[in-house]
Amino acid sequence: DTGVSQNPRHKITKRGQNVTFRCDPISEHNRLYWYRQTLGQGPEFLTYFQNEAQLEKSRLLSDRFSAERPKGSFSTLEIQRTEQGDSAMYLCASSLNEKLFFGSGTQLSVL
Amino acid sequence: GNSVTQMEGPVTLSEEAFLTINCTYTATGYPSLFWYVQYPGEGLQLLLKATKADDKGSNKGFEATYRKETTSFHLEKGSVQVSDSAVYFCALSEARGKLQFGAGTQVVVTP
Repeated sequence: DTGVSQNPRHKITKRGQNVTFRCDPISEHNRLYWYRQTLGQGPEFLTYFQNEAQLEKSRLLSDRFSAERPKGSFSTLEIQRTEQGDSAMYLCASSLNEKLFFGSGTQLSVL
Repeated sequence: GNSVTQMEGPVTLSEEAFLTINCTYTATGYPSLFWYVQYPGEGLQLLLKATKADDKGSNKGFEATYRKETTSFHLEKGSVQVSDSAVYFCALSEARGKLQFGAGTQVVVTP
């Protein structure tokens, strides 16, 4: 499968714990995006990488959130001290141009 | 800022009925416009796109025309199938390839 891969598919955690998600983009794609989607809403942009450089972060991305793409390939999104409001589907997408390819997402539930 | 507004769902149709999902946008400049589809349990997939005024995007029997004068990009299909049941998202492009999504419209097609 050469699509965008996200792991884990589901994550259940207790409030206050840290969680980390991984995204493996399509191999030749230099652009990588993280989005968040809550029930009944469209995806909301969180952050953007071009190769290993994080070029933009949304105001939605509080200080508890950090993302990396150390070698310009896979990316990780970490949430520290999770809150119930962080419960959502976290989507990763990659692209070479205007066409974004999305992964199936990581569903986070904070209890 | 930019925004996308699409009709609320769910939209329930019988097989072979005509489908229209309305989408209007607010944007500075002339963004590209997209329709993405999310089938149950899957990631978002690009359905079609249009890059300038009066362009028509089409795919799998779906069509949408970029109307600058009405700032709209309505999605249509002449004869839906049960397999078209999904959530449909209208989106516009922003800087760095980011997408601004609408809230999504669930479509349910019954046999």
